[in-house]
Amino acid sequence: EIVLTQSPATLSLSPGERATLSCRASHSISSNLAWYQHKPGQAPRLIIYEISNRATGIPARFSGSGSGTDFTLTISDVEPEDFAVYYCLQRFEWPRTFGQGSKLEIK
Amino acid sequence: EEQLVQSGGGLVQPGGSLGLSCVGSGFTFSTYEMDWVRQAPGKGLEWVACISSGGGIVYSADSVKGRITVSRDNAKKTMYLEMNSLRAEDTAVYYCVRDNWAYAFDIWGQGTMVTVSS
Repeated sequence: EIVLTQSPATLSLSPGERATLSCRASHSISSNLAWYQHKPGQAPRLIIYEISNRATGIPARFSGSGSGTDFTLTISDVEPEDFAVYYCLQRFEWPRTFGQGSKLEIK
Repeated sequence: EEQLVQSGGGLVQPGGSLGLSCVGSGFTFSTYEMDWVRQAPGKGLEWVACISSGGGIVYSADSVKGRITVSRDNAKKTMYLEMNSLRAEDTAVYYCVRDNWAYAFDIWGQGTMVTVSS
């Protein structure tokens, strides 16, 4: 099973600051890495697919990068609506696995 | 509008059974793999199972293997999750998800709560 390890567990920022979230895979997962935003009481929302492609309707302040086993989600200027939990997901191998999540909270 | 609407869930005793349904609309349901994902209270997201577009192949997580049945009726644009021998640790919000190849899990149902408790 591929284990995804996200860091930090919690990131405290003020609106307007830059957020950098990391996802490290236990084995190479090629480009099969996606990022999700999850707010309480809502369904998760696809943010990034295939490492760096923004999903439909996602603002340009969200960007993804990385390769092999190390991946990053960057939010360039955090907006109030961006505070949430973010998960990475690999679909390279069975079973599909999520990271444990990184919480972006207001400082 | 492409959407998934879930039904089912509720309270069940340990060892009991429960079924969930997920209806797709606004897209050609029969051409997509579909998945179930869950989130236990206070925990992260956990992939549960995937069913192929035709329904002939199912992959599942070890945590539920042998205790779940995933099926679909493409004529009704519906996917089903039947869970047996339920345990307290199966308590979670269950989401059905469209598995859109390179676009990953791109459409999510609204989620439905399953509580396993006596």
